[in-house]
Amino acid sequence: QSVLTQPPSASGTPGQRVTISCSGSSSNIGSNTVNWYQQLPGTAPKLLIYHNNQRPSGVPDRFSDSKSGTSASLAISGLQSEDEADYYCAAWDDSLKAVLFGEGTKLAVL
Amino acid sequence: QAQLVESGGGVVQPGRSLRLSCAASGFAFGTFGMHWVRQAPGKGLEWVAFIWADGSHTNYADSVKGRFTISRDNSKNTLHLQMNSLRAEDTALYYCAGDPPSSGFAFDLWGQGTMVAVSS
Repeated sequence: QSVLTQPPSASGTPGQRVTISCSGSSSNIGSNTVNWYQQLPGTAPKLLIYHNNQRPSGVPDRFSDSKSGTSASLAISGLQSEDEADYYCAAWDDSLKAVLFGEGTKLAVL
Repeated sequence: QAQLVESGGGVVQPGRSLRLSCAASGFAFGTFGMHWVRQAPGKGLEWVAFIWADGSHTNYADSVKGRFTISRDNSKNTLHLQMNSLRAEDTALYYCAGDPPSSGFAFDLWGQGTMVAVSS
């Protein structure tokens, strides 16, 4: 089954702005909302961004997303050490009738 | 406080069966779409299955179609995953996750996971 394409790793220094890309197709990102998850080491994933840049309660506005065509991006501004985690994008695929996850991006805060 | 608690994991031989459960509390379980998501050791997230809030429809990943069955009992706030013909590649931490109405499949709630190891 297809997956959404993410870079395996990203990095930045405290205070910097980093972006993580997520590439899909017309049947998933191109026609449905993209959701983003953060997974800290040894913990369950947590919803970070959903439904066109909405953030669950408690998620700081340093996290934002954008979408253009069949690609989406997660932006983290004012990078902090506690942002070091794995980040996943996800979207429903109309053709596969399945939820697709990205391969995950490991973010390092140097 | 909303909570999902998985159970039923363990070590099982290839070809055998296992049934996972997920107990929900603290939210309107019967209005949430429910999913199983798994994560093999050291790997990324893989969506496994989805069941509508009323239980009327289900969807499966190709990797488990025909072997796994997702079900729910809204009267008992419980989700299940019946896993048959297990393979080594099914070894993973299995999470149940809930997506609220009209959320666009945003998994707002996650359990802590239950580990399934398929090995002879």
